[in-house]
Amino acid sequence: SAVISQKPSRDICQRGTSLTIQCQVDSQVTMMFWYRQQPGQSLTLIATANQGSEATYESGFVIDKFPISRPNLTFSTLTVSNMSPEDSSIYLCSVDLQGGGNTIYFGEGSWLTVV
Amino acid sequence: GENVEQHPSTLSVQEGDSAVIKCTYSDSASNYFPWYKQELGKRPQLIIDIRSNVGEKKDQRIAVTLNKTAKHFSLHITETQPEDSAVYFCAASKAGTALIFGKGTTLSVSS
Repeated sequence: SAVISQKPSRDICQRGTSLTIQCQVDSQVTMMFWYRQQPGQSLTLIATANQGSEATYESGFVIDKFPISRPNLTFSTLTVSNMSPEDSSIYLCSVDLQGGGNTIYFGEGSWLTVV
Repeated sequence: GENVEQHPSTLSVQEGDSAVIKCTYSDSASNYFPWYKQELGKRPQLIIDIRSNVGEKKDQRIAVTLNKTAKHFSLHITETQPEDSAVYFCAASKAGTALIFGKGTTLSVSS
């Protein structure tokens, strides 16, 4: 399977600040997805990021709060803007290695704590 | 959109027993059903998956069954071991779309 690297792996952030999470894949992938996992909860899809187009956001998530970039087929960023303690979560980048075949693998996650 | 229900939320078994986790989905167009295992402090790991053209798939002690008519699928773990203790998530999707996850099952295997 592909290597999916996320940075940072862990961070403690001040309320009101913004943080950008990077996701790097060692092979070209068409579809990338960003998920949030709040403490003790399941994974919730934030948005789908395809190269060359605007990200598609799920209900409850907006571009102003979670801007996403997808400049090429191996890289994406998710920014968590104007953070509050409710944003304390694991943020996971995931990729479809089969270009629509839905075999989804996850990066190691970015564990954010907002204080 | 797709909705995935997962039961039970917690499951405790003795080592060597079998464990079964069940999920139902709402979108009849969904055709891909993976299962993930998440250990504490780690990312979800794909352990087995099944596509809609198959009714059952097995990999050593783990098996998944799919009933498309009833829109449900199940994870079966036989001869459970303490290292099987984790949170298990089911998910569903159709081609070219993101996975939608169930709420998870915390499996505890006691020796």
